[in-house]
Amino acid sequence: AQSVTQLGSHVSVSEGALVLLRCNYSSSVPPYLFWYVQYPNQGLQLLLKYTTGATLVKGINGFEAEFKKSETSFHLTKPSAHMSDAAEYFCAVSDINFGNEKLTFGTGTRLTIIP
Amino acid sequence: DTGVSQDPRHKITKRGQNVTFRCDPISEHNRLYWYRQTLGQGPEFLTYFQNEAQLEKSRLLSDRFSAERPKGSFSTLEIQRTEQGDSAMYLCASSAGRTSGPGNTIYFGEGSWLTVV
Repeated sequence: AQSVTQLGSHVSVSEGALVLLRCNYSSSVPPYLFWYVQYPNQGLQLLLKYTTGATLVKGINGFEAEFKKSETSFHLTKPSAHMSDAAEYFCAVSDINFGNEKLTFGTGTRLTIIP
Repeated sequence: DTGVSQDPRHKITKRGQNVTFRCDPISEHNRLYWYRQTLGQGPEFLTYFQNEAQLEKSRLLSDRFSAERPKGSFSTLEIQRTEQGDSAMYLCASSAGRTSGPGNTIYFGEGSWLTVV
């Protein structure tokens, strides 16, 4: 079974500072990996995804993530935090059964931006 | 695309009552998913439809839960004899499924909050 571990349920950074949200996965086969963002009382919005090809993936709102197979990691970064980045972030891995994109999510990281 | 829409957005019900949630996926998306999210947790998979066929159900989906997608378009999730433990946000999602295998983008709705009192 595939799983995702997000280190740090809460992360606080100052506005303008680097954002680093950690995600490690467990999978017996090459994974497909995703980062989603959730604003209060809303659904999830896809930030970026890794399927195949380039291991550095760029997403929306200036976020990017790098797939590192040797470290089984898919950490999310943003060079300069903005107040609007305050939200809950979820890393997810896709079930690789054919035709089923079922996602397994981590427990989430709440990002707080300090003015 | 108008996005995935869910109704109602909020529902408060007494324990033992039945509730039904509706999901309208993005037009022409043939795959539809239901997830459940409790406070402080990530979403958990409940069930999945390919067109009108329900292809997978999680063991989280007890026999009090039933989901349908009768014409391969909108879907309903019914919870019978609700319990306090059912309090959660129920998320619907859809994907186009045009490419084979995983990796298609899954689009989520804004969720339906259920509070069982």
